[in-house]
Amino acid sequence: QSVLTQPPSVSGAPGQRVTISCTGSSTNIGAGYDVHWYQQTPGTAPKLLIYRNTHRPSGVPDRFSASKSGASASLAITGLQAEDEADYYCQSYDSSGVFGTGTKVTVL
Amino acid sequence: QVQLQESGPGLVKPSQTLSLTCTVSGGSINSGGYYWTWIRQRPGEGLEWIGYIYYSGSTSTFYNPSLRSRLSISEDTSENHFSLKLDSMTAADTAVYYCARGVYVMGFYFDSWGQGTLITVSS
Repeated sequence: QSVLTQPPSVSGAPGQRVTISCTGSSTNIGAGYDVHWYQQTPGTAPKLLIYRNTHRPSGVPDRFSASKSGASASLAITGLQAEDEADYYCQSYDSSGVFGTGTKVTVL
Repeated sequence: QVQLQESGPGLVKPSQTLSLTCTVSGGSINSGGYYWTWIRQRPGEGLEWIGYIYYSGSTSTFYNPSLRSRLSISEDTSENHFSLKLDSMTAADTAVYYCARGVYVMGFYFDSWGQGTLITVSS
């Protein structure tokens, strides 16, 4: 079972802004370990979306942004697009790699 | 750009051992600095870190404690691949198995992934 908690689902209309929270504890995010985010569309492998809390790999649109504070982190998608409909996972470290529970983003 | 590709049997009988291989191209697994990792995803569920192997002169491994008693990860630098063996498979091990390249900076992140291979445990 995951030690990082995310909301099961979020939704928004095209063009809107949605946020996904990732809540950890003092042994992972709160201990100072970085948070990373992945996007997974059905039938495909996860894709690195954000690394080291706030950094976007080359090719990731700037409508994706993230932050970290204390034992939590959040991912924001601004200007939501149909292609953003996917599952999103946060990930950190807690004596080993740990993933969040995952959030399904639905574009209405 | 590094690419990873999993290969495996697809179907495993209960109690048997699963053997998977991840072939790496576009980079050497013994170049150091990366953690070659296995991750799985049960049907309809989230991601679970299985373990990694790291080569920097000598080889180090680290396994998910929940799988440690059944798990072995090894590498073949001559073939540029790393492998997973998971003993005593049960239905609960049915999952898509991914290999990924891990980068360690204040914890790991995984910047390259294989496409995944579905492993079904069934008689």
